[in-house]
Amino acid sequence: SQTIHQWPATLVQPVGSPLSLECTVEGTSNPNLYWYRQAAGRGLQLLFYSVGIGQISSEVPQNLSASRPQDRQFILSSKKLLLSDSGFYLCAWSVRQDNSPLHFGNGTRLTVT
Amino acid sequence: DQQVKQNSPSLSVQEGRISILNCDYTNSMFDYFLWYKKYPAEGPTFLISISSIKDKNEDGRFTVFLNKSAKHLSLHIVPSQPGDSAVYFCAASADQDTGRRALTFGSGTRLQVQP
Repeated sequence: SQTIHQWPATLVQPVGSPLSLECTVEGTSNPNLYWYRQAAGRGLQLLFYSVGIGQISSEVPQNLSASRPQDRQFILSSKKLLLSDSGFYLCAWSVRQDNSPLHFGNGTRLTVT
Repeated sequence: DQQVKQNSPSLSVQEGRISILNCDYTNSMFDYFLWYKKYPAEGPTFLISISSIKDKNEDGRFTVFLNKSAKHLSLHIVPSQPGDSAVYFCAASADQDTGRRALTFGSGTRLQVQP
């Protein structure tokens, strides 16, 4: 069966510090990968998606970047965090076929102080 | 521009009764709709989905109804149980040439099932 791992679960970082969140998927090949963010009291916003190694698409302009160095690894990064980067970050995967759901990791709670 | 809207931020229902969660969308290109359940500090869990060629899909206690002309879908939970208490997100996607299939989410409805 497929599993998705996301770490760390919680993170407190000062403004201006770098960020690296990692996500790996097991039990499937060539997945679509996604990073979402849930700000306090709001829905889930798509940040990045990837349909293959090295292929990253950004949905919204922001202070973050994403990379996919391996087929089942997806990394969310920032060189300098802003207060507004605080939120709940979720990695997700899906198979590459129509009408298939996204499956989410347990998320990372990021607090920028 | 919110393409998927859940206008009720919260809903309280008695155990054993029906819970009805509503969702409206504006993008006529959406052709696949899903409901997710989310507990605090966890990722959303997929519940049930429906494609635009259907108007109803049922899975145990959960039924999703789609009204394409009204651009409206709803999730019915019968009977409701205390363990159903969570935030429910409606989501939708449109067929994309790149196989992107990313989901657009509503803002969620917090369901509280009272024992």
